[in-house]
Amino acid sequence: ETGVTQSPTHLIKTRGQQVTLRCSSQSGHNTVSWYQQALGQGPQFIFQYYREEENGRGNFPPRFSGLQFPNYSSELNVNALELDDSALYLCASSQGPLSQDTEAFFGQGTRLTVV
Amino acid sequence: QKEVEQNSGPLSVPEGAIASLNCTYSDRGSQSFFWYRQYSGKSPELIMFIYSNGDKEDGRFTAQLNKASQYVSLLIRDSQPSDSATYLCAVKEDSSASKIIFGSGTRLSIRP
Repeated sequence: ETGVTQSPTHLIKTRGQQVTLRCSSQSGHNTVSWYQQALGQGPQFIFQYYREEENGRGNFPPRFSGLQFPNYSSELNVNALELDDSALYLCASSQGPLSQDTEAFFGQGTRLTVV
Repeated sequence: QKEVEQNSGPLSVPEGAIASLNCTYSDRGSQSFFWYRQYSGKSPELIMFIYSNGDKEDGRFTAQLNKASQYVSLLIRDSQPSDSATYLCAVKEDSSASKIIFGSGTRLSIRP
């Protein structure tokens, strides 16, 4: 157990719909990173939030957006869902942006299926 | 496009033998390198990180880094069936405080 919890664990949505995924970071952690992992691939960095501000973004379109709350929990929102958005969505929390001395702990992930 | 390359496998190793997993990366400025283990249907868990050229040992695991060759490897000694998983190599971009680039992983199977 890493202390990082994600909800829901599984979700089925229809193409064109919107979805919100949630992540509670480990106690004492102020940074949350979101990743998308397609089947058979490594995780792809979506973005990171540090102290409620976006702190880096990967190559994902603007319909992927996020929030971080004062308690450092975070949401990932995806609008206008496409079939290719079907994947495991992972959040990772850390004490500060990743540096040589910072370890990121992953939640169990949310499996999103778009039909 | 900065990349991290791994052989997808599967790599089959007899129980008790040494498993050797390899990874190359394209960004010469990368400074931090990580190995994660991911069991099927589970999230990645960090096994080791390495920053300096050479070897770093932790129990049965040894990470090796050669920055000149842009190559990082993971050795697993005395392989156990519980080591069967996908191993993800990850590299932290030097220019960003946040982004980690993952390889697509090598599937390791330890046969009894």
